[in-house]
Amino acid sequence: AQKVTQAQTEISVVEKEDVTLDCVYETRDTTYYLFWYKQPPSGELVFLIRRNSFDEQNEISGRYSWNFQKSTSSFNFTITASQVVDSAVYFCALSEAPQTGANNLFFGTGTRLTVIP
Amino acid sequence: EAGVTQSPTHLIKTRGQQATLRCSPISGHTSVYWYQQALGLGLQFLLWYDEGEERNRGNFPPRFSGRQFPNYSSELNVNALELEDSALYLCASSPPIPTYNEQFFGPGTRLTVL
Repeated sequence: AQKVTQAQTEISVVEKEDVTLDCVYETRDTTYYLFWYKQPPSGELVFLIRRNSFDEQNEISGRYSWNFQKSTSSFNFTITASQVVDSAVYFCALSEAPQTGANNLFFGTGTRLTVIP
Repeated sequence: EAGVTQSPTHLIKTRGQQATLRCSPISGHTSVYWYQQALGLGLQFLLWYDEGEERNRGNFPPRFSGRQFPNYSSELNVNALELEDSALYLCASSPPIPTYNEQFFGPGTRLTVL
């Protein structure tokens, strides 16, 4: 069975601090995708990144970086030099069996990040 | 390019009534997904439609149903509304399978059941 755990329910940081959001997943599939989405107060989920199970390269996009480690089933997300606009709920998600088109996402419970000016 | 749109933005119903929520995918996308975000329960997968057919269903009772129209827009129907159906309902779309692509979400419909 699939499961996504985001142990940090809420995090508060002061602006310009770095922050890491943790995500641990469980799956029996060897092929799967992992995602991060951002949900600002408006409610709309904003896609941030997709990573497939065969690509363990870390990725950096501006102030955002992702660390994927299959050995620990983790897909952590770091925001460098946080800004007030980063305040949102962040969701980690898993999709299994994409080769069969079973595309539905399993989400973690989310981490609410508050960046204090 | 227009994103995923959902209507209405807010919907207030009473117990036992039926609710209809609508979703228009991004142009060129054939798959539509519905998710429920209820307080304390997180985001849960409801339904997936592709090319007019229901492809997958989450762990929800049959009173949650829907359909996809020839223009790929979709409707979610919730019958015999219960108080715990109060939630934000999010619709997402993605391009045609089999190539897997990320899902793009709409702003949601907030359903309140009184």
